[in-house]
Amino acid sequence: QSVLTQPPSVSAAPGQMATISCSGSSSNIGKNYVSWYQQFPGTAPKLLIYENNKRPSGIPDRFSGSKSATSATLGITGLQTGDEADYYCGTWDSSLSGVVFGGGTKLTDL
Amino acid sequence: VQLLDSGGGLVQPGGSLRLSCAGSGFTFNSYAMGWVRQAPGKGLEWVSTISGGSGGSTYYTDSVKGRFTISRDNSKNTLYLQMDSLRVEDTAVYYCAKDRLYCSGGNCNGYLDYWGQGTLVTVSS
Repeated sequence: QSVLTQPPSVSAAPGQMATISCSGSSSNIGKNYVSWYQQFPGTAPKLLIYENNKRPSGIPDRFSGSKSATSATLGITGLQTGDEADYYCGTWDSSLSGVVFGGGTKLTDL
Repeated sequence: VQLLDSGGGLVQPGGSLRLSCAGSGFTFNSYAMGWVRQAPGKGLEWVSTISGGSGGSTYYTDSVKGRFTISRDNSKNTLYLQMDSLRVEDTAVYYCAKDRLYCSGGNCNGYLDYWGQGTLVTVSS
């Protein structure tokens, strides 16, 4: 059981928009920055979004992040087949004194 | 930035293993470093983080406290994870990651901006 809650799967048609939610509590998302990671099968995760809504260099602006109270959302516009992957949210939990992740969301094409 | 994980393998329950992570392309001693694991078919689980510099601050997930020890050798640009009293449930791919951790007023924030390729640890009799 993950500390952060994500939907197990999300589907969207190519060219459309997909959103992935991440729900936490006042000791984690409610208090700290959220980051998002993309992982393809058999490979290491890659940072997509940090500090709620910032993109590392090289990440296209089709990817966006937002946070409100104890929840965060990853948005992906103009979906491409190459975006099919697992997506994880993460943040620091002040009560646990450590990093917590969501259970991951598998994004698939409709 | 490059992170090269190594040291994984097959070990019996109760045994020990030491993972290493060699960093290059950045000023290793300036950054916190961490370990994240992923059991087969499962999601990401944070394991441990060590602060930059001398590594005076360390953090562990509850399930590994007292069994795992994170450390760093800045002269070798290398991060370690000493794993003792291994259990079947420790079986996973272990990734090292460069951690943009910063702590202030008793609270911390951060994110993992670069990851190693992972090394597989299998605990089985």
